[in-house]
Amino acid sequence: SQTIHQWPATLVQPVGSPLSLECTVEGTSNPNLYWYRQAAGRGLQLLFYSVGIGQISSEVPQNLSASRPQDRQFILSSKKLLLSDSGFYLCASSETGGGEETQYFGPGTRLLVL
Amino acid sequence: AQTVTQSQPEMSVQEAETVTLSCTYDTSENNYYLFWYKQPPSRQMILVIRQEAYKQQNATENRFSVNFQKAAKSFSLKISDSQLGDTAMYFCAFMKFNNAGNMLTFGGGTRLMVKP
Repeated sequence: SQTIHQWPATLVQPVGSPLSLECTVEGTSNPNLYWYRQAAGRGLQLLFYSVGIGQISSEVPQNLSASRPQDRQFILSSKKLLLSDSGFYLCASSETGGGEETQYFGPGTRLLVL
Repeated sequence: AQTVTQSQPEMSVQEAETVTLSCTYDTSENNYYLFWYKQPPSRQMILVIRQEAYKQQNATENRFSVNFQKAAKSFSLKISDSQLGDTAMYFCAFMKFNNAGNMLTFGGGTRLMVKP
């Protein structure tokens, strides 16, 4: 079964600083990978997804970007953080092919921009 | 585009009782998957149960079961013998079949409190 790691677990950053959140996956190959953001008490908003190395699709226009430098590594970045970037960021993974489409989630990163 | 609606923002249940969380969805697809995820205070999203739309039999996982009504586009979650550890946000989610990115559409969530 898949295991999804995210770090850091918590991050406090000043406005205008850069951001890099990392997600790595174990136990599967060539997964689909996803970045979600969740505001306090709210549902999940899909930010980016990737079906392969170097392939990134963005769901919403925003201050953030994503990259997939390796098969099981997914990075969320920003050059200059905004206050509105605060939230809980979740990485998810799903297998490709074979009928197992379920998304499994990592533990998340709490980001507070001050 | 698909939409998922959870009409109960908050619910509470006494320990050991049964509770049902509602979910409706809107789609023109015939083949799809439905999921319930649980998000406890730790905020980790945990898969509770999954249903394939082509299966008529309702999915069951221990104390968790669903009532899937395809014609009505309804997908409710029943939790039997509620436990304090069931206290969490519960999200219903929809996935279109053979969608290249396996993308999920989530409902807004229901906060469930299990009272001792």
